[in-house]
Amino acid sequence: LAKTTQPISMDSYEGQEVNITCSHNNIATNDYITWYQQFPSQGPRFIIQGYKTKVTNEVASLFIPADRKSSTLSLPRVSLSDTAVYYCLVGGTSGTYKYIFGTGTRLKVLA
Amino acid sequence: NAGVTQTPKFQVLKTGQSMTLQCAQDMNHEYMSWYRQDPGMGLRLIHYSVGAGITDQGEVPNGYNVSRSTTEDFPLRLLSAAPSQTSVYFCASSTAGRGGDEQYFGPGTRLTVT
Repeated sequence: LAKTTQPISMDSYEGQEVNITCSHNNIATNDYITWYQQFPSQGPRFIIQGYKTKVTNEVASLFIPADRKSSTLSLPRVSLSDTAVYYCLVGGTSGTYKYIFGTGTRLKVLA
Repeated sequence: NAGVTQTPKFQVLKTGQSMTLQCAQDMNHEYMSWYRQDPGMGLRLIHYSVGAGITDQGEVPNGYNVSRSTTEDFPLRLLSAAPSQTSVYFCASSTAGRGGDEQYFGPGTRLTVT
């Protein structure tokens, strides 16, 4: 199982771009990288997913280098409502269906 | 679609009591799982299922049982509640549990064991 490592916390100001990096040195060949967002007292919510290079949707971008040993979630122009915990998740291939969440990154957006 | 539903929302148990946390999904998802989240911590996988009749252990299965008799339902049983099981429990589902599948989470059940 690929273990992930993320910074425990980050602070940012409204309007700034936030980049959260996740390290996953043991990622398997067919593993995907998925990011979730969790607000207090709620279940995690899917943000973005990718396999390699760059993926962009309406809320975030995901950058994955060629060696895939890390990934970076980019949140453009954050607002106070982006204050949450962000989890990086790797895995789910080759018959392994154990999705192991790491400790996550607690992002605090300041006014 | 209701998505993933969990009942009850809150529960208080005394040490040694047993109970079942209910989880249901109406998206015809094959994969379902249970996580627990202790205060200020990340999610830990308890048990998961890749289809009706198939279950397997996650990171922290001790003290919990599961069964999957239908695609829709995945109940979690606490056999003999202990204070260490005080936590928020989340159920999740996805289409097939493979790497490319988004997981949908329920609203959680907040359990306190005294």
